[in-house]
Amino acid sequence: DQQVKQNSPSLSVQEGRISILNCDYTNSMFDYFLWYKKYPAEGPTFLISISSIKDKNEDGRFTVFLNKSAKHLSLHIVPSQPGDSAVYFCAAIADSVNRDDKIIFGKGTRLHILP
Amino acid sequence: EPEVTQTPSHQVTQMGQEVILRCVPISNHLYFYWYRQILGQKVEFLVSFYNNEISEKSEIFDDQFSVERPDGSNFTLKIRSTKLEDSAMYFCASSDGTTWGELFFGEGSRLTVL
Repeated sequence: DQQVKQNSPSLSVQEGRISILNCDYTNSMFDYFLWYKKYPAEGPTFLISISSIKDKNEDGRFTVFLNKSAKHLSLHIVPSQPGDSAVYFCAAIADSVNRDDKIIFGKGTRLHILP
Repeated sequence: EPEVTQTPSHQVTQMGQEVILRCVPISNHLYFYWYRQILGQKVEFLVSFYNNEISEKSEIFDDQFSVERPDGSNFTLKIRSTKLEDSAMYFCASSDGTTWGELFFGEGSRLTVL
């Protein structure tokens, strides 16, 4: 049962252009969303998050957009840099008010930044 | 920069054997987690631990699994009798709880069950 879906297993983007990674979710109880980044042989690293009360959160080159009605979120990276090549995991938490500990991850999208 | 460390990096074991995976979380963190990732699959939640007890566990975390924080610095995951399907990368993570959902992950321990 995939509650968090990343339908693109991989994405290639030219350096300097915008990378857009997409994520869909099915559980309407999710109220907090995250993106993690993972390099080979390393653990995932937290990148950015967004609460369901917002529709956008920006941190430097990274912006996350949330469309609750469509149950869709996206991560925009602009401009894309070679060091952004990694696997990006979309993740979600249900009932963050009561600090539910279970983070549900998607399968990940491998982003390859082309020189 | 403080980091979560995990040992061993890779363990090969026979089916039915007991395995203990060890983690040293970041020292001032209060929340501890184990996740796993079967090759090519998503990262899956196993268990969370706070205040010296399990706060939540998934359906994967059955009676074969246990966690312990024996000495205030280590956080261990024990698999009592390993099965082939336990082969995965096991990630330990910790959090200070200030930014919800921001977990600091270790590099993982790869478990191969033969």
